[in-house]
Amino acid sequence: DAKTTQPPSMDCAEGRAANLPCNHSTISGNEYVYWYRQIHSQGPQYIIHGLKNNETNEMASLIITEDRKSSTLILPHATLRDTAVYYCIVRAMEYGNKLVFGAGTILRVKS
Amino acid sequence: EPEVTQTPSHQVTQMGQEVILRCVPISNHLYFYWYRQILGQKVEFLVSFYNNEISEKSEIFDDQFSVERPDGSNFTLKIRSTKLEDSAMYFCASSVPSYLTGGNTIYFGEGSWLTVV
Repeated sequence: DAKTTQPPSMDCAEGRAANLPCNHSTISGNEYVYWYRQIHSQGPQYIIHGLKNNETNEMASLIITEDRKSSTLILPHATLRDTAVYYCIVRAMEYGNKLVFGAGTILRVKS
Repeated sequence: EPEVTQTPSHQVTQMGQEVILRCVPISNHLYFYWYRQILGQKVEFLVSFYNNEISEKSEIFDDQFSVERPDGSNFTLKIRSTKLEDSAMYFCASSVPSYLTGGNTIYFGEGSWLTVV
């Protein structure tokens, strides 16, 4: 019942920007786009989320297309420690709603 | 920065034994969750908990599983009679509504690795 489509893997050179795409063409008006990552089977780590405006925090930027059918997570200067599985998840606004994880994108940052 | 803490980090148990995994959610959070991840597989939702009762559970969360918030700080997952297929990493998570950022971001602990032998 995944609502998002992500490439299975991507490579990125250390120090360069990593741009991770996500398609969510069936997103509803009350659903946010969330990004998490998981490093070496550690607990999923929250990165960023947005509804329709672009968002930026200390970790990343989230660019959401105007029709909200796709988004891109940008890690501006990828480091080796950013190697992880990145999950794009759409989730309704209602408080307490669960996250449904797909397979995500394995990002490998290479020196 | 506040974080979700879980104990034990790793537990080995005999098949058929009861196991209790413990979690201390972030202190002002109101919603609590358990997820699991079998080695090499996706992170799977087990159960969500709010206002001292289960608000949603998955098909995985059968009668062998139970959750409890015995006091104001702990949140536990009990597996009554463990099976080999219960071997997995179990993640606790918590969240609180944020009117500032919208929605309620879920924060995860580092997990408890359960091995059933």
